[in-house]
Amino acid sequence: DTGVSQDPRHKITKRGQNVTFRCDPISEHNRLYWYRQTLGQGPEFLTYFQNEAQLEKSRLLSDRFSAERPKGSFSTLEIQRTEQGDSAMYLCASSLVGQGPEQYFGPGTRLTVT
Amino acid sequence: TQLLEQSPQFLSIQEGENLTVYCNSSSVFSSLQWYRQEPGEGPVLLVTVVTGGEVKKLKRLTFQFGDARKDSSLHITAAQTGDTGLYLCAGAGSGTYKYIFGTGTRLKVLA
Repeated sequence: DTGVSQDPRHKITKRGQNVTFRCDPISEHNRLYWYRQTLGQGPEFLTYFQNEAQLEKSRLLSDRFSAERPKGSFSTLEIQRTEQGDSAMYLCASSLVGQGPEQYFGPGTRLTVT
Repeated sequence: TQLLEQSPQFLSIQEGENLTVYCNSSSVFSSLQWYRQEPGEGPVLLVTVVTGGEVKKLKRLTFQFGDARKDSSLHITAAQTGDTGLYLCAGAGSGTYKYIFGTGTRLKVLA
């Protein structure tokens, strides 16, 4: 069990550029979640997948945000036309259906939009 | 809209002191988790409580879920500097996996 991994750990980009983040969940975990956390706040739910199906999306996930999990394993989160307000820590978590409500987080990707 | 409010927001105490952190909501949660997060890292799960009135202990940490499953508390006995961090509670309503996180309590334990 290697834990949830996220790549990259840090990303600095200029306003208007597109960015993509990757999350690899714990092996065999079939639920995967994305959260956004700004300084001084708790994580905010963005979306979650069960296998490859995206089952719920937050209103925070504007048209510029898209998430995929094409093979039910790793997931990507893309932000198009980044804005300064997108600067935040993007967290991924995973869990296993039938093993309780516990979710396990990765180290996060810190995005800075200049 | 489900909200989880944590209090206090900030807490600075001396090593050896006891403290309690609260997580309150007007909504009922099917389960509630507590996490600790250090700067630049993801939250680390401490405990999950599921049953109203449930009490769980993890070494010097005691977690309690309210009878009505709307609130929870975390009590730390004889705090140590290693307990320093951001403590977060999170819960989901029945039939959903959209987890709501509290605003967090930032704890600093001084030597």
